[in-house]
Amino acid sequence: DSGVTQTPKHLITATGQRVTLRCSPRSGDLSVYWYQQSLDQGLQFLIQYYNGEERAKGNILERFSAQQFPDLHSELNLSSLELGDSALYFCASSVAPGRNSPLHFGNGTRLTVT
Amino acid sequence: DAKTTQPNSMESNEEEPVHLPCNHSTISGTDYIHWYRQLPSQGPEYVIHGLTSNVNNRMASLAIAEDRKSSTLILHRATLRDAAVYYCILRSNTGNQFYFGTGTSLTVIP
Repeated sequence: DSGVTQTPKHLITATGQRVTLRCSPRSGDLSVYWYQQSLDQGLQFLIQYYNGEERAKGNILERFSAQQFPDLHSELNLSSLELGDSALYFCASSVAPGRNSPLHFGNGTRLTVT
Repeated sequence: DAKTTQPNSMESNEEEPVHLPCNHSTISGTDYIHWYRQLPSQGPEYVIHGLTSNVNNRMASLAIAEDRKSSTLILHRATLRDAAVYYCILRSNTGNQFYFGTGTSLTVIP
């Protein structure tokens, strides 16, 4: 158990809809990362937060947004959903954003867009 | 961020050592080398990381070449539970992102 909690585990929704994925980091971790993993693309970095502030952006679409709250949990909002957004979404956390801090991943939210 | 190159797949017999190679010829002096693995239907799991010296922990050993252009993850006795995709990635001093490549899919043969 990594200590990172993601909810819900599964989500099925229709195209055009909006969903929110939630992540609670490991106790003591200040940095949160979001990744998308689809069958044909592997793990794609989306965005990182550190202590409530956006730290880095990866391949995140404009239809997607995220935030980290004062209690350090994070939410990833996906809107105007398309079939191609179907994927596993992973959250990870680390103590600090530095290069010497390992990432600890949750077990993901599986999103299916129909 | 510097790139890594790993074989797409490897096989190992159960209870034998496994050496998983990774090439990172464009590594910079301050990049850390991290290894993660992903079991089916699970999130990636941290295995080990290092900078210059070889590292050991309860899961594995990390051997880093003297020029740091390659590294090897060593599983001392492969078990069926070690069957996973293993990712070697570089964590840079300036970048905060972890970019994962395609990794090595390890099959453990009973």
